[in-house]
Amino acid sequence: KNEVEQSPQNLTAQEGEFITINCSYSVGISALHWLQQHPGGGIVSLFMLSSGKKKHGRLIATINIQEKHSSLHITASHPRDSAVYICAVRGGGATNKLIFGTGTLLAVQP
Amino acid sequence: NAGVTQTPKFQVLKTGQSMTLQCAQDMNHEYMSWYRQDPGMGLRLIHYSVGAGITDQGEVPNGYNVSRSTTEDFPLRLLSAAPSQTSVYFCASSSQGNGNSPLHFGNGTRLTVT
Repeated sequence: KNEVEQSPQNLTAQEGEFITINCSYSVGISALHWLQQHPGGGIVSLFMLSSGKKKHGRLIATINIQEKHSSLHITASHPRDSAVYICAVRGGGATNKLIFGTGTLLAVQP
Repeated sequence: NAGVTQTPKFQVLKTGQSMTLQCAQDMNHEYMSWYRQDPGMGLRLIHYSVGAGITDQGEVPNGYNVSRSTTEDFPLRLLSAAPSQTSVYFCASSSQGNGNSPLHFGNGTRLTVT
């Protein structure tokens, strides 16, 4: 079992829909990252969080440390939100390693 | 602001050839790293550096060398390319140790080894 699991792997939505992408992890962590990767493009950091909730524009990220779970929400989705969304966790302690999920491919149709 | 600049964007090598992927950042970040991205797998750490003159191995270091002579530059060298090294490579930097601050990625290098 992977240490970081994302669901769903693929998601198709209609423009305007509310979208949720989930990330579950099995290790103790000190931080969790959400990243966005457009097709053929680079990777952009969306959020880094260790507790609670963060919001940036139409994007909201939440984390529940006790349940080892994080969600990325997109409100009023738009075709330009189509991308791969990647969750990554940093293990606690002295580890220098980020553990990445395999990503969720989101397609928002007009 | 340039951020993280990675070159080349595409490269085709024959088995046994060597090459260097360049990575430079202008944010004065101490931490830099190289990842490879393969279909169906999460990003995997190849090598990383916590500052000039200091490098260490990541999860999949075999077949790759790195050096960090300056804070800005962190090149990745493929010593003798193999088809298994066909992948997309990303360089990343951050102000603090891996994962403790936001990550800044380059645009990636798509490498094909024939």
